[in-house]
Amino acid sequence: DQQVKQNSPSLSVQEGRISILNCDYTNSMFDYFLWYKKYPAEGPTFLISISSIKDKNEDGRFTVFLNKSAKHLSLHIVPSQPGDSAVYFCAASTFNDYKLSFGAGTTVTVRA
Amino acid sequence: DTGVSQNPRHKITKRGQNVTFRCDPISEHNRLYWYRQTLGQGPEFLTYFQNEAQLEKSRLLSDRFSAERPKGSFSTLEIQRTEQGDSAMYLCASSTDFGNEQYFGPGTRLTVT
Repeated sequence: DQQVKQNSPSLSVQEGRISILNCDYTNSMFDYFLWYKKYPAEGPTFLISISSIKDKNEDGRFTVFLNKSAKHLSLHIVPSQPGDSAVYFCAASTFNDYKLSFGAGTTVTVRA
Repeated sequence: DTGVSQNPRHKITKRGQNVTFRCDPISEHNRLYWYRQTLGQGPEFLTYFQNEAQLEKSRLLSDRFSAERPKGSFSTLEIQRTEQGDSAMYLCASSTDFGNEQYFGPGTRLTVT
C-alpha cells in the first residue's frame, strides 16, 4: 500500500518563480520527512528534511512545510532555477525505524 | 569522492542467470540499505544492515534474493535465477546510527532479457 503519495506527476514553472511540490501521507506514525532530488542516471540526493516537532524548515532557496493534522507536507523552491529541473521524491519514516517510504515523485521542469 | 559507490552501473542478463551487485557505503556509516526502483515509482525498501547484521528484509525480497555485508563495510546483493520482473534500478544507501538522512549511490540498472 502506498503510504506516501505525490499526486502531481509533473510541474512546469518559469525560471525565477516559485515551485510548490506537495506530498500526502497516510501513516500517522511517520514523524520524519525528507525530500530528495534525482537527476537522470544518478541516485537520489538528499535535499531537506523536517521532524514532526516542527512545522517549517528552511535551507537557502528550499523550505519544507509540515501540516500534521492534514498529513500533508510541501516543498517550496524560491526562486526556481534551470538546475532545479529534476524528479523530486518525498519520503517518510518513523524516528526509530530505518526504512524510508517514498512517493512516486514529481518531475519539475524549469522553463527559461 | 567519498560518497556511496555501486558496481556495476549497468547489467544486462538473460532470464535464469544469476547476478551480483556491490555497494560501498560512506566509510563512517554503520547502516546500509538496499532499495529497488521501477519506472515511474519511488524507491522501495528491500533490506537493511546495521554493521554486518541484516536486521530486516522486505516481503519484496523473495528467496531468490540474498544480501550480505560480511565485514560491516561493503555489501553485495545477489539475485538468483533472474526473471524479467527483476528488471529495475537497484539503489544502495547508507547512514549514520543517529541520522534519518540516507545517502544514495548512483544505482545499478538491471535489465533481464
